[in-house]
Amino acid sequence: KNEVEQSPQNLTAQEGEFITINCSYSVGISALHWLQQHPGGGIVSLFMLSSGKKKHGRLIATINIQEKHSSLHITASHPRDSAVYICAVRSWTSGGSNYKLTFGKGTLLTVNP
Amino acid sequence: KAGVTQTPRYLIKTRGQQVTLSCSPISGHRSVSWYQQTPGQGLQFLFEYFSETQRNKGNFPGRFSGRQFSNSRSEMNVSTLELGDSALYLCASSLGFGGARDTQYFGPGTRLTVL
Repeated sequence: KNEVEQSPQNLTAQEGEFITINCSYSVGISALHWLQQHPGGGIVSLFMLSSGKKKHGRLIATINIQEKHSSLHITASHPRDSAVYICAVRSWTSGGSNYKLTFGKGTLLTVNP
Repeated sequence: KAGVTQTPRYLIKTRGQQVTLSCSPISGHRSVSWYQQTPGQGLQFLFEYFSETQRNKGNFPGRFSGRQFSNSRSEMNVSTLELGDSALYLCASSLGFGGARDTQYFGPGTRLTVL
């Protein structure tokens, strides 16, 4: 079982719909990242969370540390939101002297006009 | 402020050769991280450099190495290339001090094809 699981793998929505992408992880973490990758490879870091909730424009990210779960919400979705959304967790390696980043496989979001 | 730049953008090599990729971080950023992205494995963390020292390392063989110069520019080297090394290699820079404000900024990537 992967340490970071995302769902759904693929998501198609109509413009204006409310979108939710989920991320579950199985390790203790110091932070969780949400990344956006557009076709062609460019990656943008959307959020870094260690607790609670963050909002930026139409994007909202929440995390529940006890349940080891995070969600990325997009309100009033738009075709330009079409991209792959990737969840990544930052966790300490054994011994606690270092950290590693583990990524989910990503969610391909397509928003149709 | 200029973004993260990576050179070259595309590279074709044959098995057994070696390759060096370059990453120039955003001015003032002292941390550079490298990632490999393949269709099968997704994104995987290679290593992170901070102030010319490797601070973190992912689970990759010793054929993958890197370094960072005093101006924070970083290079990544892969020796004895294998077909499975074909991937998009991304670097990301950040201030490097951790915390909620230490956002990573990604470069456009180098697409490496091994024939």
